[in-house]
Amino acid sequence: AQTVTQSQPEMSVQEAETVTLSCTYDTSENNYYLFWYKQPPSRQMILVIRQEAYKQQNATENRFSVNFQKAAKSFSLKISDSQLGDTAMYFCASRYNNNDMRFGAGTRLTVKP
Amino acid sequence: DVKVTQSSRYLVKRTGEKVFLECVQDMDHENMFWYRQDPGLGLRLIYFSYDVKMKEKGDIPEGYSVSREKKERFSLILESASTNQTSMYLCASSPLEGARGNQPQHFGDGTRLSIL
Repeated sequence: AQTVTQSQPEMSVQEAETVTLSCTYDTSENNYYLFWYKQPPSRQMILVIRQEAYKQQNATENRFSVNFQKAAKSFSLKISDSQLGDTAMYFCASRYNNNDMRFGAGTRLTVKP
Repeated sequence: DVKVTQSSRYLVKRTGEKVFLECVQDMDHENMFWYRQDPGLGLRLIYFSYDVKMKEKGDIPEGYSVSREKKERFSLILESASTNQTSMYLCASSPLEGARGNQPQHFGDGTRLSIL
């Protein structure tokens, strides 16, 4: 079974600075997908960024980028130029077939003014 | 945009009651999912469905059942609510893609359920 581990329950960062959230996963599959989701306080969970395991190039979405290290089974999220609106719970997830998505325990990120 | 609507944001029920949580999606997605979210545990899959009248158990199905009579609607049922089922419940949907899984799941706002 796949497992996803987020070792940082809480983090904080000053506005405009950069922060990196860690995620490791464990799978025996060769082809899989990795996701970062964001859940703002009392709001809907939304997709931040995704990475396909067979692609070596790290995914980027504006201020969000990932550092995907397949051999190390690591998938960290970097947020550049942090904004107050980035304050949220962040969940790392892995998915290797259509139905089985595994989530980490989450990291609560606070962006301080 | 995909819209996943959960019938209640907050719900308070009593121990032993039968509880229904409803979820509707408007994008004709084949897959629908029910998770519960607890602090320190992330999201855990209760049940999912990949077609009408089809259902599969997730990691923690005990004490729950589901119903999918129509493609757009997926209901979670707590047969006899207990206090350890107090939690945030999230519904999600995604299109069917066979073995590929690069499409994200789309989530509803969640239902915070309290069992007294």
